Amino acid sequence: EPEVTQTPSHQVTQMGQEVILRCVPISNHLYFYWYRQILGQKVEFLVSFYNNEISEKSEIFDDQFSVERPDGSNFTLKIRSTKLEDSAMYFCASSDLNRIYEQYFGPGTRLTVT
Amino acid sequence: QKEVEQDPGPLSVPEGAIVSLNCTYSNSAFQYFMWYRQYSRKGPELLMYTYSSGNKEDGRFTAQVDKSSKYISLFIRDSQPSDSATYLCAMSASIETSYDKVIFGPGTSLSVIP
Repeated sequence: EPEVTQTPSHQVTQMGQEVILRCVPISNHLYFYWYRQILGQKVEFLVSFYNNEISEKSEIFDDQFSVERPDGSNFTLKIRSTKLEDSAMYFCASSDLNRIYEQYFGPGTRLTVT
Repeated sequence: QKEVEQDPGPLSVPEGAIVSLNCTYSNSAFQYFMWYRQYSRKGPELLMYTYSSGNKEDGRFTAQVDKSSKYISLFIRDSQPSDSATYLCAMSASIETSYDKVIFGPGTSLSVIP
């Protein structure tokens, strides 16, 4: 069964450093998403991406965040200058163009900012 | 008022019991309703989705949506220890508005005791 994969599973970085989180969505999906979940809190929408551009973003997704689809398979989330409060699980998800409410999530990347 | 509310639990039931999980919401634009299961330190796994009001059954799981009351439910019949997880309700608005942003509830923690 196809699945969303994410790397790395755990990333530790120092405050102020740049991090790139990587995702490989399900191959025939065209909508891609990033969510985050701070420990003990709810899953929060960050951004959706379609046709090589951001289709929607939340207020959390400020100028220090960016997304990119650098090739035909990867989807990345970059945090330019990490802050302590960026520590969270980051989930990538993807969905088919015609069934966007069926979002399939990856296993997540645990980001720890020290 | 929070956009999506859910009793966090924890909810503890004996094996074989019928489990009822519920969410309320405030945004009448929501048209798509999903239930996700999340095991500890894993990504959310889509269980079921429904569009607008009504019931939907899939094996031991039944989802109900009552848009007039802004209330959704997930019933689990013959609960198993493997059902022990956090259950997240999630909702999305219609295609005429912000159709791809999914709003999650905070989740209900369920333990099924053998």
